[in-house]
Amino acid sequence: DAKTTQPTSMDCAEGRAANLPCNHSTISGNEYVYWYRQIHSQGPQYIIHGLKNNETNEMASLIITEDRKSSTLILPHATLRDTAVYYCIVRSLNQAGTALIFGKGTTLSVSS
Amino acid sequence: EAGVTQSPTHLIKTRGQQATLRCSPISGHTSVYWYQQALGLGLQFLLWYDEGEERNRGNFPPRFSGRQFPNYSSELNVNALELEDSALYLCASSLEQGAFGYTFGSGTRLTVV
Repeated sequence: DAKTTQPTSMDCAEGRAANLPCNHSTISGNEYVYWYRQIHSQGPQYIIHGLKNNETNEMASLIITEDRKSSTLILPHATLRDTAVYYCIVRSLNQAGTALIFGKGTTLSVSS
Repeated sequence: EAGVTQSPTHLIKTRGQQATLRCSPISGHTSVYWYQQALGLGLQFLLWYDEGEERNRGNFPPRFSGRQFPNYSSELNVNALELEDSALYLCASSLEQGAFGYTFGSGTRLTVV
């Protein structure tokens, strides 16, 4: 998997948008960007993934730069329940024999 | 639709004993992945099973083993338990090697005393 770089921690006020950046400058053309989050002592939760187009679902939006070397996960209206560790992972669909490899992620703290 | 279920929720074992952890994937998912998360550390990939076969394993000693049954449920066995095996063990399942994302269970908290 290509290496990703994320800030160690971020703070966000409740109700505001949380923008979590991820750098993946060595990403290959067939690698997707995946985002997961892990709330304390729970299993990670899949959020969203994309290849090169921006994606949106009920949880978040994913903005990928045109050169695909970085991306931003956007939580449009952060709540206290969004406090978690957020992981950015790049992986191709045809990587047989591999599993998702999690880095250290970004700890997002949402406060009132 | 039921999610990924893991049992037991908590397990306390003595050093040197064996532990068995169980995972039931989402119906229709054929791949099962096991991860270890020691306190304060990241998720470490342990094992991947697909269609009943072990497809890949992480950097763990052979005393970590498992299997996948015909109904795609899976079992993780840890032999000769050591104190540093104390961790949250997470199971995830997916379709098509995770093409559409993994779904994780809530984990089994293993404590070795």
